[in-house]
Amino acid sequence: NAGVTQTPKFQVLKTGQSMTLQCAQDMNHEYMSWYRQDPGMGLRLIHYSVGAGITDQGEVPNGYNVSRSTTEDFPLRLLSAAPSQTSVYFCASSYSGAGGTDTQYFGPGTRLTVL
Amino acid sequence: KQEVTQIPAALSVPEGENLVLNCSFTDSAIYNLQWFRQDPGKGLTSLLLIQSSQREQTSGRLNASLDKSSGRSTLYIAASQPGDSATYLCAVRPPESNYQLIWGAGTKLIIKP
Repeated sequence: NAGVTQTPKFQVLKTGQSMTLQCAQDMNHEYMSWYRQDPGMGLRLIHYSVGAGITDQGEVPNGYNVSRSTTEDFPLRLLSAAPSQTSVYFCASSYSGAGGTDTQYFGPGTRLTVL
Repeated sequence: KQEVTQIPAALSVPEGENLVLNCSFTDSAIYNLQWFRQDPGKGLTSLLLIQSSQREQTSGRLNASLDKSSGRSTLYIAASQPGDSATYLCAVRPPESNYQLIWGAGTKLIIKP
């Protein structure tokens, strides 16, 4: 199994540009989530999904959109990039059984810089 | 609002030493607490998970303890090795949430050969 994969690994955008960060998992996990990690701060939850067709907002959802059309994929869209969105983005997945969301598998991250 | 703090932000110790990493949280009402390891350019890997009813968990040279009443957890690493160099993060799960973890900012650990 490839686990959780993310593309691209690095990206530089100009303010106002849009882009999609890709995330895929091959473990048939129901639960998937996006986090951002900023220096000196803990990971913060952006959006999450408990299954295909179901998404919800996390702690810092503004400026980001998600959709979940399949179990495997959970893309994160930046609508109009801002310098405040410069961060490292992590995608994670887990099964949703009892206690399942506690065992989260993380992708390698995407380092995004917005100029 | 639950807050998780990890002090110090960075720690450097010689190889072979035993060491303790600290994690504190402001609200003792937690479902569980986890310790993760993060290597540069890679994702996070779960090391140990302690349920709220437990006091400690062990895995190899790692031992994590939990004291809910004082809002503290420690990660003990025995006989440290250069391969232990990484950033260690703790995260708590609030009892009201199935999905959200509250994260500390991490302690960057460097083990000097």
